[in-house]
Formats: sequence, structure tokens, C-alpha cells
Amino acid sequence: DQQVKQNSPSLSVQEGRISILNCDYTNSMFDYFLWYKKYPAEGPTFLISISSIKDKNEDGRFTVFLNKSAKHLSLHIVPSQPGDSAVYFCAAHELEGNDMRFGAGTRLTVKP
Amino acid sequence: DGGITQSPKYLFRKEGQNVTLSCEQNLNHDAMYWYRQDPGQGLRLIYYSQIVNDFQKGDIAEGYSVSREKKESFPLTVTSAQKNPTAFYLCASSIGTGSGTGELFFGEGSRLTVL
Repeated sequence: DQQVKQNSPSLSVQEGRISILNCDYTNSMFDYFLWYKKYPAEGPTFLISISSIKDKNEDGRFTVFLNKSAKHLSLHIVPSQPGDSAVYFCAAHELEGNDMRFGAGTRLTVKP
Repeated sequence: DGGITQSPKYLFRKEGQNVTLSCEQNLNHDAMYWYRQDPGQGLRLIYYSQIVNDFQKGDIAEGYSVSREKKESFPLTVTSAQKNPTAFYLCASSIGTGSGTGELFFGEGSRLTVL
């Protein structure tokens, strides 16, 4: 049962444009949502998170939007840079839960 | 530097052999985790531990075993019972249940290949 879904396995954008990565979830008990960035042969690194009580969180070029009614969140990167090329994982967990659920990831390629 | 250290980075084993992957953290985190990553799939939880001498099965615990004798260490043994052990294994830690966003800190991973 995949509780967190990233339906786009890949995304390609031009440098300077906006990248939008999407994520859907099924568990309405999730309290926190996180995005991780992963380069090949490395562990994921935390990028940005959002609590279920918010609908937007911004950190520099990265903004995460949460739509609880639609059980959907998205990560916006603007402007996109070639160094942003990586696999992005969406993750979620309940406040008291220790089992963080991950999506399958979206491979972002930013072309110069 | 604080962080999580996994070893070895690459490991080859013959079928039928057990192998143990090491994970050490010096972040003073209570919780530690093992995930497995396969192509086209998200990270799947194998085992996690919230406190020393205690651990719980994740979604795909069959064929794996763990121990948590020290707060800093959470080794994973891939046994011969694991039918498809070739994968990229990631160890992670977090402060603990209910603390902040529950952000996980990951090691660099260990790639296991069964020949």
C-alpha cells in the first residue's frame, strides 16, 4: 500500500524556468511532509518541510505547497539551476509515528 | 563532524552468505532506521529503532535482522533468507518520535550486490 505517490518519474526543465514536482498521499493522519534531494550513490538530504497546519513554506528558491483537501503537495523551484538536477523524494509521517513514508521519487533534469 | 557513517560503501556477496552492513551516528539521535532503495521505487523501511535494545519491523523486514546494543550503532544483517538482496541500503537517524518535523539524516548508503 503506497501511501505517498509521485506519479511523474522524471521532469526536464530549462535553466531559469520553474520546476514543479508533485506528490499525492492517501493517509489523512500525516502531520509533516518533507522533500529530500538525492544525488546518485549518495544518501538523500533534507530540503524543505511543511506542517499540516500550513499551506505554504518557502526557503529561498524552494517553496512547498500543501493542499490538505486534495491530499496533494508540490515543490516549486524557481529559478531552476543545473545543480538542482537530482532525484527528489516526497515523504510524510504522523506526529507520533516513526515510519516515514517515501514516494518513488522524481528525477529532475535542469538543462543549461 | 557530526553525521552518519555507513560501511562498506560497496559490497559483493555470494548467494547463501550472510552480510552485515554497519551504521554509526554521532548525532546523539535516539531513533535509527534502515531503508532499501530499488530502481523506480521509493525508500522502503526495513527496520527502525526508537531506543537502545528495542527495534521494530518495517514493511520489508523478512530476510533481515538488526541489533541496537548502543545508541550510536544500528547494524543490519542481510541473511541468506532474503530472496532479492541486491539493492542500495540507506541508514538514517532522527531525534526521535514527536520531535519537530522528524527530519531524517541519511548516511551515504551501501550498495550490496549478490553474485
